[in-house]
Amino acid sequence: AQTVTQSQPEMSVQEAETVTLSCTYDTSENNYYLFWYKQPPSRQMILVIRQEAYKQQNATENRFSVNFQKAAKSFSLKISDSQLGDTAMYFCAFIRTGANSKLTFGKGITLSVRP
Amino acid sequence: GAGVSQTPSNKVTEKGKYVELRCDPISGHTALYWYRQSLGQGPEFLIYFQGTGAADDSGLPNDRFFAVRPEGSVSTLKIQRTERGDSAVYLCASSLATPGEQYFGPGTRLTVT
Repeated sequence: AQTVTQSQPEMSVQEAETVTLSCTYDTSENNYYLFWYKQPPSRQMILVIRQEAYKQQNATENRFSVNFQKAAKSFSLKISDSQLGDTAMYFCAFIRTGANSKLTFGKGITLSVRP
Repeated sequence: GAGVSQTPSNKVTEKGKYVELRCDPISGHTALYWYRQSLGQGPEFLIYFQGTGAADDSGLPNDRFFAVRPEGSVSTLKIQRTERGDSAVYLCASSLATPGEQYFGPGTRLTVT
């Protein structure tokens, strides 16, 4: 079974600054994907970024990037130039490869961006 | 195209009643998932459909919970004899064959009084 741990319950950052959200996971699988999802108060879960475990290069999507350390089973999200619209809950999630496996989520972290 | 839709948006019911929650996936998506999200927690897997059949129902908490997808599109999550502990947001997601590309609906907030 897989587990995903997000130990920081909440974080706060000043607008335009950079913040890093931490995530660790545990699995015996060798092939898997990791994700960061954003959930604003509207409840809509939005995919922020995805990382394939077999890729050594860290994924980047505009202001969002990850630091993927496979050996350490660590997967942190860096948000650069934070914007007020980034205020939301952020969930780290794991899925093993194979047809349509289920997502395993962490408990989430509440990020507040201060004006 | 349209995203995943869920109805109702909010549902309040009395303890012991029966409820149905509906999910309309993205057109053409063969896989459909139900998750339950309790307050302050991440979503937890309930059941996964591939086409019309339930490929994995290992997350259903007990036999009061049941889900169907009779025509391989719309799915209904059914909860019998609701309990206060069933109060949560129920999320639906759909995907194509690629693992992990799950698109979520806005959820149904169920409150059992």
